[in-house]
Amino acid sequence: AQSVTQPDIHITVSEGASLELRCNYSYGATPYLFWYVQSPGQGLQLLLKYFSGDTLVQGIKGFEAEFKRSQSSFNLRKPSVHWSDAAEYFCAVRASGNTPLVFGKGTRLSVIA
Amino acid sequence: DAGVIQSPRHEVTEMGQEVTLRCKPISGHNSLFWYRQTMMRGLELLIYFNNNVPIDDSGMPEDRFSAKMPNASFSTLKIQPSEPRDSAVYFCASSSRSGQQNTEAFFGQGTRLTVV
Repeated sequence: AQSVTQPDIHITVSEGASLELRCNYSYGATPYLFWYVQSPGQGLQLLLKYFSGDTLVQGIKGFEAEFKRSQSSFNLRKPSVHWSDAAEYFCAVRASGNTPLVFGKGTRLSVIA
Repeated sequence: DAGVIQSPRHEVTEMGQEVTLRCKPISGHNSLFWYRQTMMRGLELLIYFNNNVPIDDSGMPEDRFSAKMPNASFSTLKIQPSEPRDSAVYFCASSSRSGQQNTEAFFGQGTRLTVV
């Protein structure tokens, strides 16, 4: 069975600073990997995904993530955080196209001036 | 497409009452998922359907919970009778199997359920 670990429950960064959110997964093969963002009272919006090919993937809102098979990681990064990035971020893994996504517990990002 | 549509957005009900949550997936999607989100447990999968057929309902907490998908464009999640511990945000999501690139699930806005 797949599982996802997001070790950081809450992160606070200053506006303009760089950001890295950690994600580790457990799965026997190469999974489909995702990062979603959730603003308060809203649904989940896809930031980016990885299913094959280039291990560095670009997403919306200036986010990127790198798949590292040797470390079973899929960390999310952004070079310069904006106040509007404050939200909850979820990493997810999926075995195939018709199986459910398994989510991590999420990391809440706060942005300070 | 309007995306995944859930109704109602908010529901407040008294303990013991029946609650029905509704979901309209994206047209053409053949997988549908019901998740529950709470502070304590995060996002939990309750049940999912492929081609309108329930595949795995092991996440449904109790017999009080039931879900149906009578056709490709509609699904319901019913709680009968409801209890205060059922208070949570319930999300519906859908996805398509067509093509390797279409791997993500699209989420609705959720239904915030409060049982008093």
